[in-house]
Amino acid sequence: QQPVQSPQAVILREGEDAVINCSSSKALYSVHWYRQKHGEAPVFLMILLKGGEQKGHDKISASFNEKKQQSSLYLTASQLSYSGTYFCGSYRGIDRGSTLGRLYFGRGTQLTVWP
Amino acid sequence: DAGITQSPRYKITETGRQVTLMCHQTWSHSYMFWYRQDLGHGLRLIYYSAAADITDKGEVPDGYVVSRSKTENFPLTLESATRSQTSVYFCASSAGQGAHQPQHFGDGTRLSIL
Repeated sequence: QQPVQSPQAVILREGEDAVINCSSSKALYSVHWYRQKHGEAPVFLMILLKGGEQKGHDKISASFNEKKQQSSLYLTASQLSYSGTYFCGSYRGIDRGSTLGRLYFGRGTQLTVWP
Repeated sequence: DAGITQSPRYKITETGRQVTLMCHQTWSHSYMFWYRQDLGHGLRLIYYSAAADITDKGEVPDGYVVSRSKTENFPLTLESATRSQTSVYFCASSAGQGAHQPQHFGDGTRLSIL
């Protein structure tokens, strides 16, 4: 049910780029991205609502391929502050047996940036 | 601007005891959520609510009870705590359904059950 994230972990040097992928076996209406630093709460980064839509947040951007049911998060010229665990959340409407729509979160990708 | 607050931040209790985790938000968001976070599992939804007196089960609701008599509060109760419920619990809120609205998380409650 939950989307699959890859890779599970990434280690980078400051200034390097990274891509985190999120794929779903079911049709998606939207994809959310969150970042969680160690010992803290997840923090919202962005929502992608339309197929092919790309959004940006500082040097972090994302794309959403509705046809492939995939989203990718792009971290450009990584900074130390980018370290943390990144979660994607997929929204696909109201499930059978439920009355409310909800997000399904992936298991997360741990990103470590070294100086 | 308090936002969303959870209490307590840390709790240690014993198996079989009842424990209630509190969540309060000041944004008047209609949707509220309870997640648990365990290593290797990410964020798993326990219960959620679209408004006062409207709640639905998530993927791991067994052993938990929620209520929502007021829009701003969404307490989570473990009726008879078990060791498997040791976890970090996050409350979140959003202005609408998940397709269009971001979720805003509280700082979490770290619960240990001995």
